[in-house]
Amino acid sequence: EAGVVQSPRYKIIEKKQPVAFWCNPISGHNTLYWYLQNLGQGPELLIRYENEEAVDDSQLPKDRFSAERLKGVDSTLKIQPAELGDSAVYLCASSLDSQETQYFGPGTRLLVL
Amino acid sequence: AQKVTQAQTEISVVEKEDVTLDCVYETRDTTYYLFWYKQPPSGELVFLIRRNSFDEQNEISGRYSWNFQKSTSSFNFTITASQVVDSAVYFCALSEAGSGNTPLVFGKGTRLSVIA
Repeated sequence: EAGVVQSPRYKIIEKKQPVAFWCNPISGHNTLYWYLQNLGQGPELLIRYENEEAVDDSQLPKDRFSAERLKGVDSTLKIQPAELGDSAVYLCASSLDSQETQYFGPGTRLLVL
Repeated sequence: AQKVTQAQTEISVVEKEDVTLDCVYETRDTTYYLFWYKQPPSGELVFLIRRNSFDEQNEISGRYSWNFQKSTSSFNFTITASQVVDSAVYFCALSEAGSGNTPLVFGKGTRLSVIA
């Protein structure tokens, strides 16, 4: 069974530029999560989707971050404009439902110059 | 509020030694789940175990074992006869389930280095 797929794996951009990350969850998983992981820290939740509905986006900085999960499968996380402090790893995870174990993708490592 | 503390930032052991990674958690919920994930240098978080708050039985899986003690709010992880491939950052995490499922809260991780 294929795991969670993320792309790109690495991204380097200049500050004020836009950037987008893509996630394809495990087939059949209804719940999708985006996490932010800063260096030396554990992941922190940005947003959680149940199918196509964002049910927990309280930690998403909505002035510059946006996300969507059209058709309840793939998801895209966007930052516009990026700031130096956004340099981090962005992890996507999925689970059968919100009660089940989350499985993580390899992450996208973002560097903002 | 829920919180996970992994007091050991880094641990180094020589191959074949046993090593225990500590995890202490805080929650006001009576129903919760505890997890361990492994993050190798490739970056992907690999699921190792999930334990619910009503099951305090210790678990063993090959060289891995977990000791869950509600009395001390701890969920420690032991690797027996460590190998170089065990080198990674290990995260303990908590999710409260009693009041509508809260997100995973992670500790800061313990970096384990196994030296040949």
